[in-house]
Amino acid sequence: EAQVTQNPRYLITVTGKKLTVTCSQNMNHEYMSWYRQDPGLGLRQIYYSMNVEVTDKGDVPEGYKVSRKEKRNFPLILESPSPNQTSLYFCAISGGATDTQYFGPGTRLTVL
Amino acid sequence: QKEVEQNSGPLSVPEGAIASLNCTYSDRGSQSFFWYRQYSGKSPELIMFIYSNGDKEDGRFTAQLNKASQYVSLLIRDSQPSDSATYLCAVNRGNQFYFGTGTSLTVIP
Repeated sequence: EAQVTQNPRYLITVTGKKLTVTCSQNMNHEYMSWYRQDPGLGLRQIYYSMNVEVTDKGDVPEGYKVSRKEKRNFPLILESPSPNQTSLYFCAISGGATDTQYFGPGTRLTVL
Repeated sequence: QKEVEQNSGPLSVPEGAIASLNCTYSDRGSQSFFWYRQYSGKSPELIMFIYSNGDKEDGRFTAQLNKASQYVSLLIRDSQPSDSATYLCAVNRGNQFYFGTGTSLTVIP
């Protein structure tokens, strides 16, 4: 069974304080992705990675960074968080760019 | 124009009825189509995927794809109260996924 873990699950922070949300998978899947979910806007893709050292922007990449140094991990980095990044964040994995995605449990981030 | 559009609902159906959820997409280059179910506060979970025109059935669920009309639908037969959730339509184009805002479904006992 595909397992995606995210940490932390909940985070309250202040504007400008750098943070990292980790995402880890146990399936050796190549494709990993980050989304944010906001009321009325749905799920929007932030960044995705096709494989190690291969990352690309999604629809809403501004204010975020990612890295893919190893296949199982895909951290999301907010260098200088702002209140408009308050959201519910999901990491997702799939076997390929057209395949079914499996989502992690989500990270609820609040930036004050 | 949004990549994926869904009627936000809410949609209410009585228990045992058929629930019909609809989705349209804007880009003809879209390749794969998915329906996810999301309970409040939880992560989306896959219900069905469909790649080719026509119908695909899995238990009580049937997905329908019409590429000419750029239309995807999900039928839930014999709806149960446990089906009450938000249903997300998603499409894949290139290496990216695009989601609709979801349709809220309530099944009334």
